[in-house]
Amino acid sequence: DQQVKQNSPSLSVQEGRISILNCDYTNSMFDYFLWYKKYPAEGPTFLISISSIKDKNEDGRFTVFLNKSAKHLSLHIVPSQPGDSAVYFCAASAVRASKIIFGSGTRLSIRP
Amino acid sequence: DAMVIQNPRYQVTQFGKPVTLSCSQTLNHNVMYWYQQKSSQAPKLLFHYYDKDFNNEADTPDNFQSRRPNTSFCFLDIRSPGLGDTAMYLCATSWSVSENQPQHFGDGTRLSIL
Repeated sequence: DQQVKQNSPSLSVQEGRISILNCDYTNSMFDYFLWYKKYPAEGPTFLISISSIKDKNEDGRFTVFLNKSAKHLSLHIVPSQPGDSAVYFCAASAVRASKIIFGSGTRLSIRP
Repeated sequence: DAMVIQNPRYQVTQFGKPVTLSCSQTLNHNVMYWYQQKSSQAPKLLFHYYDKDFNNEADTPDNFQSRRPNTSFCFLDIRSPGLGDTAMYLCATSWSVSENQPQHFGDGTRLSIL
């Protein structure tokens, strides 16, 4: 039972354009959402998060949007750069839960 | 830099031969986690320690065990690895489990069972 779903295994975007990565969740108790970035042969690195009391959080080129009614969040990267090529994991946790649940990841490739 | 360090980075072992993976942290975090990640799948939580309190996930196989002798170190022991245990094993840490905060990951140990 996948509680966090990333339905696009891969995405290719031209350098300089916007990358939009999507994530859906099923558990209405989730109240904290995270995006991690993972390069080959390295562990996931925390990128950005959002609490359920917000619908948008921005950090430089990265913005996460949360639509609670649709149980959907997205990560926008503007402008996309070659160093953004990586696997991006969406993750979520419920209030006072002891763990976060990961999606299966989306591989983002930035082409010149 | 404060870090989460996993050793070894790569481990090849025989079917049924016990193996131990190591994780150390300089973040002084209270919580340490072990995840299993198979190819193209989501990282799956095996168990975590909150200080000395061990918390096992319901579907973690019995031959997976963990030890945390002190705040800095945590070990994953696989008593009798099977071919299906070939995976990346990720260690992560966080300050607490009750507050919304990210986990910090090591670079993982890629384990191959032959």
